[in-house]
Amino acid sequence: GAVVSQHPSWVICKSGTSVKIECRSLDFQATTMFWYRQFPKQSLMLMATSNEGSKATYEQGVEKDKFLINHASLTLSTLTVTSAHPEDSSFYICSARWDPPQETQYFGPGTRLLVL
Amino acid sequence: LAKTTQPISMDSYEGQEVNITCSHNNIATNDYITWYQQFPSQGPRFIIQGYKTKVTNEVASLFIPADRKSSTLSLPRVSLSDTAVYYCLVGDSGTGGYNKLIFGAGTRLAVHP
Repeated sequence: GAVVSQHPSWVICKSGTSVKIECRSLDFQATTMFWYRQFPKQSLMLMATSNEGSKATYEQGVEKDKFLINHASLTLSTLTVTSAHPEDSSFYICSARWDPPQETQYFGPGTRLLVL
Repeated sequence: LAKTTQPISMDSYEGQEVNITCSHNNIATNDYITWYQQFPSQGPRFIIQGYKTKVTNEVASLFIPADRKSSTLSLPRVSLSDTAVYYCLVGDSGTGGYNKLIFGAGTRLAVHP
């Protein structure tokens, strides 16, 4: 149980285009989903937190107009990288969690984004 | 800032028991302690979670002293496939109450033949 999927697993795009990444909880309803990015040899950095049906809460320094997050249902959240540039190339990972207090998050396999 | 401190790296050999200790001096009353394992180019995998005393599952044990200011992940009889980065996290029940997890640097465990 507690499986989270991401699609696509990797994507290559041209600079200036937008890329959408999907995160799905397959066998549970996720009241909260989180988006992280990870650069090589570094730890995960939290980008934003989203609850179903409400606006995402972004961490300090993360541009909300650049990284659009939509949490349309209890099993799906999407991250859209708008007007992507080479510096946006990274490993993007989502996680999902049902209600507290256990706080356990289950992570997706990640999406590798390469912007040329 | 991450709420935890753990060794940057550790080395071990196949068949040995590995103990990774994590400090979380400012842990809040409502916070659980969770450990994740991450392989390169993969999302973190949940290992174990606890609140106090000892928790054991099929892959690891988690020891938490009474003051909860630290915890120790114990991996029995490691194998080469246990080479990974291990993260200790405590919930952040701060702003927004969403219990977000802030990752620290983690511990890079290298298991040698």
